[in-house]
Amino acid sequence: EVQLLESGGGLVQPGGSLRLSCAASGFTFSSYGMTWVRQAPGKGLEWVSGISSSGSNTYYTDSVQGRFIVSRDNSKNTLYLEMNSLRAEDTAVYYCAKGHFTVDYWGQGTLVTVSS
Amino acid sequence: DVVMTQSPLSLPVTLGQPASISCRSGQSLVSSDGNTYLTWFQQRPGQSPRRLIYKVSNRDSGVPDRFSGSGSGTDFTLTISRVEAEDVGVYYCMQGTHWPRTFGQGTKLEIK
Repeated sequence: EVQLLESGGGLVQPGGSLRLSCAASGFTFSSYGMTWVRQAPGKGLEWVSGISSSGSNTYYTDSVQGRFIVSRDNSKNTLYLEMNSLRAEDTAVYYCAKGHFTVDYWGQGTLVTVSS
Repeated sequence: DVVMTQSPLSLPVTLGQPASISCRSGQSLVSSDGNTYLTWFQQRPGQSPRRLIYKVSNRDSGVPDRFSGSGSGTDFTLTISRVEAEDVGVYYCMQGTHWPRTFGQGTKLEIK
């Protein structure tokens, strides 16, 4: 059974940093691209970032380019999202998802709140 | 970025009646590998999204056959043949052909 378990969310002040993790199990993690998607309170889904199976290729939406870094450790079956220079508009539930042409499994999400 | 435009944004439907959601993309979603990476998701209240349909018309395992996807190029449709109470939620399309990936705004299905 595929499982994706996000962690690392919380309350952070504007300009601060957080690192999200996503522990994957139930599939061969190193064979799949992975995706981060976020959802602001009461809003729709927003694609944030993607990473290839090896980690050699990374992609970002414009609003996070230069502030967020996606990475993965295939030996630990874990996906990461390092978030810097956080803004109020980054407040959202962050989901990790398996795949990046399509995504077939989603985690339960972790809430990031950026507020003073 | 490829803009994904869904309509309608709100969809009140009577139980047992059909429902249809349109998703239009600003560019063709035909990939250089010949695939069209258009996905439909359902998000029930308080839950993570769930994939229903991938590559335009392929239904996921466990998804009722009343859900179907169709379309090509830039114009796609999700159809529910007979709406049931458990179908209440928000439906999103997503393109996986171009970087960055993009979602439609979402269509909220409710029971009339």
